[in-house]
This record gives sequence, structure tokens and C-alpha cells, in this order.
Amino acid sequence: TQLLEQSPQFLSIQEGENLTVYCNSSSVFSSLQWYRQEPGEGPVLLVTVVTGGEVKKLKRLTFQFGDARKDSSLHITAAQPGDTGLYLCAGVWGINDYKLSFGAGTTVTVRA
Amino acid sequence: DVKVTQSSRYLVKRTGEKVFLECVQDMDHENMFWYRQDPGLGLRLIYFSYDVKMKEKGDIPEGYSVSREKKERFSLILESASTNQTSMYLCASSLLADSSYNEQFFGPGTRLTVL
Repeated sequence: TQLLEQSPQFLSIQEGENLTVYCNSSSVFSSLQWYRQEPGEGPVLLVTVVTGGEVKKLKRLTFQFGDARKDSSLHITAAQPGDTGLYLCAGVWGINDYKLSFGAGTTVTVRA
Repeated sequence: DVKVTQSSRYLVKRTGEKVFLECVQDMDHENMFWYRQDPGLGLRLIYFSYDVKMKEKGDIPEGYSVSREKKERFSLILESASTNQTSMYLCASSLLADSSYNEQFFGPGTRLTVL
């Protein structure tokens, strides 16, 4: 099993503040996905990054894939209470691999 | 919209019982997956299936089996439930064999408690 580490495990911030969540591995990903899970629901895909150095933006969310494709970050600008949830990164190791290896997740709480 | 449904949101069973968790997807996806989710451990893959009647073990298959008789349905079976199988169980499906951009669609989960 490939190890994929997320940090921090918990994050509690005030509305309007910024936050960053990290996802790291010692192995190279062929691609990496970020999911958000709200209480009582299954995870929902936010973004997939494939190319080293790639940056993708989704409104106030910015996703970055490391140049070496071993790490990724999720940055939220001016967080809102609706951003509260469990953020999961999931790595794909092989080109033809349809399995995902998930990190343990970061629980984000945005206080109004 | 892709919909993945799971037969129960909450389930309480006794130690030693045989437990069936059912999952149905309505988008003709090839791949289906069963995960369990525990605090601090993320999602761990139990079994997956890439075609009808085909299955492969994931990272933690011990104590579980699966069945995929129809493309849309993937069942997880706990042959003899134990307390350490108390967990949230998530089913997912995906379309493509090449997962570079392969989104997994998840059901809402079944919270299983084994007493």
C-alpha cells in the first residue's frame, strides 16, 4: 500500500481567513485527485491534477501539483462556512491503474 | 447525474451474523469499489470489480467477500460480522479503465455497528 500523508489533520479557522491543506508522498503519482466530503454524504470530486507543476483554480480554491508529482496542496482563500468539510486527497500510482489510494483527510471547520 | 445508492444508511448487527451491503449505480459504469472509512485512517479499499463476475482484493479484504452478478450492482458480504468491522462503508463507481481523469462517484455510505 502506498502511503499518502495529509496535514494538518484538523483545521479550524474564522470566516474570511485563508487555509492550506497538504498532501505528500515519497512516491510519484500519475495523477492526484481532491475530494470533499460533507457529513452524512460520500466524497465528491473537486479536481484532478495530472501534470507536474500544474495549478488549477475552482472559484476560491487553488490546487497545486508539485513539480516532481509527489505532493499537492489545496489553498482556500477567504474561507466561508460552506467550505466546512473533510478534504481528501487520493493518488493514482500507475497510468492504467483505476484504484485510488486515499490520505487520512483534513477536517476543516470554518466558523461564522 | 450519476447516482450511486446504498441499501441502508444505518445498520446494527450482532457478532457472528452474516451481513449484506448492497450498492447500485445507474450510469453503466465498469468499475465498482467498496471502501471502509474510519477516523484518522481515511478510505481503505476492501474490494473492487472491473467487470461483471470479476473482482480483485483491495488493501483490507480479510473478513469480507463481494458479489457482482449484474453490472449495476455490487454487494459486500461480511461472512461473520465482528466488532472490529464497525465502520462507515462507502461504495463507489467509475467509468474508465484508465484513471488519469477517472472520477469515482460515491454513495452516501452505510454506517454499520456490530454489537
